[in-house]
Amino acid sequence: QVQLVESGGGVVQPGRSLRLSCAASGFTFSSSGMHWVRQAPGKGLEWVAAIWYDGSNKYYADSVKGRFTISRDNSKNTLYLQMNSLRAEDTAVYYCTKRGLLLYFDLWGRGTLVTVSS
Amino acid sequence: EIVLTQSPATLSLSPGERATLSCRASQSVSSYLAWYQQKPGQAPRLLIYDASNRATGIPARFSGSGSGTDFTLTISSLEPEDFAVYYCQQRSDWPPWTFGQGTKVEIK
Repeated sequence: QVQLVESGGGVVQPGRSLRLSCAASGFTFSSSGMHWVRQAPGKGLEWVAAIWYDGSNKYYADSVKGRFTISRDNSKNTLYLQMNSLRAEDTAVYYCTKRGLLLYFDLWGRGTLVTVSS
Repeated sequence: EIVLTQSPATLSLSPGERATLSCRASQSVSSYLAWYQQKPGQAPRLLIYDASNRATGIPARFSGSGSGTDFTLTISSLEPEDFAVYYCQQRSDWPPWTFGQGTKVEIK
């Protein structure tokens, strides 16, 4: 079954860290560029980070640059997002998404909610 | 950064009516624009890619048009399951990959 399943969300205090995971199955993960996209409560979609299929290139939104790190383990078919120095404005549902051959986001996970609150 | 502006913010229509959604880019994105549908509590779903091509499994009532800076998503006859939020997204110039702010299609 072709799917992405995120995990690792939860409630965290400002300034603390959290690591999200995304388990991929049903497709060749090691050949796919992967992204994280987030959605604050009641808001639109915001691209967060991207990583090339082999991990050779990584890109970040200005809002998270220097605080978040995207990585992957192709042997485990898993994508990660390490989030440090979390702020209230990072509160959102975080989606893992695959960039397909058409170069758009053609597969999405169900998301994991991160709440940053004291 | 390319900014995508969608209009209207909300579209109130009845089932069977035609929906026309707009997405305007702050600079040309050629035809490198997609549309996504998002229903409450669900992840987005790719509908249209490269401005006018339907993704796999998308019904023919969905169509996209435009190039450069002005794009349109048309739903020819709204079905009950089409009431949702729609986002446009560009891949012309990155990073960042940017989305519009969304148009909500609601039942009138």
